Amino acid sequence: QKEVEQNSGPLSVPEGAIASLNCTYSDRGSQSFFWYRQYSGKSPELIMFIYSNGDKEDGRFTAQLNKASQYVSLLIRDSQPSDSATYLCAVRPTGRRALTFGSGTRLQVQP
Amino acid sequence: SQTIHQWPATLVQPVGSPLSLECTVEGTSNPNLYWYRQAAGRGLQLLFYSVGIGQISSEVPQNLSASRPQDRQFILSSKKLLLSDSGFYLCAWGSSGSTDTQYFGPGTRLTVL
Repeated sequence: QKEVEQNSGPLSVPEGAIASLNCTYSDRGSQSFFWYRQYSGKSPELIMFIYSNGDKEDGRFTAQLNKASQYVSLLIRDSQPSDSATYLCAVRPTGRRALTFGSGTRLQVQP
Repeated sequence: SQTIHQWPATLVQPVGSPLSLECTVEGTSNPNLYWYRQAAGRGLQLLFYSVGIGQISSEVPQNLSASRPQDRQFILSSKKLLLSDSGFYLCAWGSSGSTDTQYFGPGTRLTVL
């Protein structure tokens, strides 16, 4: 079992819709969770981090964490073509300094 | 504000040649530093991380090495490149405090022929 799993996609949504990206992780003791966006050929950029169960909102983005289910999600409201990118989920497993990344979900927002 | 630099941006090297990639961070002190590699269409693989000068932890045994000669400088090296070393090399920094957030540099795209 991979430590951090994401559906590779592509996830295709129409402009203005809500995009829902999901991630599961295997280490139940993980404490920190991150979402990065990576445009083709570019380096990942941090979108959000979440540490506590529940929702965290930042503009059009909402991160959701459910530690009991070992599940993290990212919602993007009012999706724009400029949101088309690969979204990487990252987790800090117990006792490790570095993050473990999923392989990413490719999002396509259709104009 | 903090800035992270990597160079070169792109590199094409023959098999068996040496490698040196450099990463520097500005605007922060005593950062945690990381080297990741991303193969085409794949996720990020952690190669090395460092919590201080001269302190290097290796995550994956391979023909690469890392050094941290100064507080905000991190170098990735190889004596002899393999074809499998091709990829996108990313340096990242994080605060040495309790937060785990990591910020990535622009990356170096390495092609080994």
